[in-house]
Amino acid sequence: QLQLQESGPRLVKPSETLSLTCIVSGDSISSSSYYWNWIRQPPGKGLEWIGSIYYSGSTSYNPSLKSRVTISVDTSKNQFSLRLSSVTAADTAVYHCARQVPGGTPKFDYWGQGTLVTVSS
Amino acid sequence: QSALTQPPSASGSPGQSVTISCTGTSSDVGGYNYVSWYQQHPGKAPKLMIYEVNQRPSGVPDRFSGSKSGNTASLTVSGLRAEDEADYYCNSYAGSNNVIFGGGTKLTVL
Repeated sequence: QLQLQESGPRLVKPSETLSLTCIVSGDSISSSSYYWNWIRQPPGKGLEWIGSIYYSGSTSYNPSLKSRVTISVDTSKNQFSLRLSSVTAADTAVYHCARQVPGGTPKFDYWGQGTLVTVSS
Repeated sequence: QSALTQPPSASGSPGQSVTISCTGTSSDVGGYNYVSWYQQHPGKAPKLMIYEVNQRPSGVPDRFSGSKSGNTASLTVSGLRAEDEADYYCNSYAGSNNVIFGGGTKLTVL
C-alpha cells in the first residue's frame, strides 16, 4: 500500500524559505511513471496546486508561485521536496504531497495527511 | 489562473440527490475531459471520487457520478447518506502541465 508522509518545520519566519519533504513508501518513485505533487490548503480555504515533479527531475509549477517554488526529487531516498522562498503569512497552510497518474489528467490518487506550516515571527 | 467556480454550499436530505457544479473556461474545464472530484472530511486528506469527468475509482460507490457540459462540470451524489457530508473540490487540467482547483463546496446532509 502506497503511503506518503510530509515532514519539515512547522513554523517559518516571514521572508525565510519553507522546506518540506515527502517520504514515499510502498513503491519506488523511479520505477513508475507517476508525477509527484505538492498541494496546499490555507486554513478554512480551498486547495491550491503548487507544482509537480517526475522522477527524471522534470518539473511544472503553478504560474502564480513559480518565481518562489522549487521542487526536487531524491530517488535514492525515495522522496521529493518543496522549497518556497520569501514566505509571508499568506503562505500559512496545510501542505499535502500527492501522487498523480501520468497522461495529463489531474488524478491525484494517493495523498499524504498533510502538515500545517505557519508563517509567523 | 483563477480558481474554478463552485457554489460555497449545497444540501439535501437523506435519500435525495444533489448536484454540485464546477465552472471554468474553455482553457481548462471546457478544453479537456480532465476533470476530477475530491471529497474531504474535516482534518482528513482529500479522497479521489471521480476522474476524467465521469470515471469512478475502484471502491467509490456508484451513487457518485460526474458529467460535463461546455465549461461546467458537475458532480451528482444520489441517495444521500450522512457520511457524504463533507467538502467537495473539483480540479481540471489547464494546459501546459498546469492544474487548477475549484474553491470547494460544503455539502450538508440535512
